Amino acid sequence: ELKVEQNPLFLSMQEGKNYTIYCNYSTTSDRLYWYRQDPGKSLESLFVLLSNGAVKQEGRLMASLDTKARLSTLHITAAVHDLSATYFCAVDNMEYGNKLVFGAGTILRVKS
Amino acid sequence: DSGVTQTPKHLITATGQRVTLRCSPRSGDLSVYWYQQSLDQGLQFLIQYYNGEERAKGNILERFSAQQFPDLHSELNLSSLELGDSALYFCASSARGGPDTQYFGPGTRLTVL
Repeated sequence: ELKVEQNPLFLSMQEGKNYTIYCNYSTTSDRLYWYRQDPGKSLESLFVLLSNGAVKQEGRLMASLDTKARLSTLHITAAVHDLSATYFCAVDNMEYGNKLVFGAGTILRVKS
Repeated sequence: DSGVTQTPKHLITATGQRVTLRCSPRSGDLSVYWYQQSLDQGLQFLIQYYNGEERAKGNILERFSAQQFPDLHSELNLSSLELGDSALYFCASSARGGPDTQYFGPGTRLTVL
């Protein structure tokens, strides 16, 4: 069974600080995705990571993938209040059908 | 705005009833996925359709069914509703049938009283 674990599940941080969210998955994955969800809203695609060593950056967010360790990280640099949201990682694997398996999500609160 | 539309936005109904949720994918996308989001279960995959055919199935209850029509819109039918079916139901779409970025609609919030 394909499982995804995120930690921490809740993160409260001060503006201007750096932090990292971790995403571990249980078996080989075709792709790893990061999504953002604001309260009561839809999921917004942030990054798609396709291969070992992949790194993508958008603004203050940077995602990386280590397929050997089955680990992805989402690094937040100099956090601002607008980054407050829930962040999900998800993986897919054709052996398990073409579905996304999501982690539990990390609730990020940036305090000013 | 992802380009995926869902109706209705909110639905309040009683136990035992039946409801239909509707989804229109992004223009050109052939795959439609349904997910359920609840506090206790998180985000769970229900079912995928690709170009009118069922492609993959998750832990979808027998009381739930879905279909994708020739114009590629999809409907999720939920019957004999229970309190535990209260959740946010998302539709997502992607261009292909295989691994691909999925774009999520705004969701339908279902409340069963």
